Amino acid sequence: GQNIDQPTEMTATEGAIVQINCTYQTSGFNGLFWYQQHAGEAPTFLSYNVLDGLEEKGRFSSFLSRSKGYSYLLLKELQMKDSASYLCAVSDSGYALNFGKGTSLLVTP
Amino acid sequence: IAGITQAPTSQILAAGRRMTLRCTQDMRHNAMYWYRQDLGLGLRLIHYSNTAGTTGKGEVPDGYSVSRANTDDFPLTLASAVPSQTSVYFCASSQSGGGPDTQYFGPGTRLTVL
Repeated sequence: GQNIDQPTEMTATEGAIVQINCTYQTSGFNGLFWYQQHAGEAPTFLSYNVLDGLEEKGRFSSFLSRSKGYSYLLLKELQMKDSASYLCAVSDSGYALNFGKGTSLLVTP
Repeated sequence: IAGITQAPTSQILAAGRRMTLRCTQDMRHNAMYWYRQDLGLGLRLIHYSNTAGTTGKGEVPDGYSVSRANTDDFPLTLASAVPSQTSVYFCASSQSGGGPDTQYFGPGTRLTVL
């Protein structure tokens, strides 16, 4: 079975840094994805990690530790437009992604 | 414009009626997926197709059927809708199935079953 956990909600201030954690227990592992989803819109791809370590892409970074079953998404220099849900998803040895329930991030002025 | 389109955008449906949600992609992706998204439950896979002519069941397939006659289209049918099928439905595609390919999502269909 699959078990993917992430916090339900987080609040952070504009200009700050926020870290969204994701832990997983899966029967196989082919990589971990982070998606962003604004209210009423489709999820959009942010990052992909398959090896341990940090992947940096502009203001967003994603970290993976396979031995710990742990990932985080780091958002720097937060902007109001970063208010959205952030979805952690794991690709196991099968056919599709297994999604966590998502973390709703509210950025306040 | 390359991407995935879904139709209709939203629909209100009487229980017991049949409904087909349409999904078309023009990226020549081999794999396509249908998810439903419900508050507090996240995205759950209904059905998938790794390539034209093949389909498979996901986590919540009951009450739904799919077909994949060609690469571009992947319709989802509710044979006899029930209120528990009220949800937002997302179609997605990826270059290939069975591997860690990035999935690209359509804009979604908001379905209400009364």
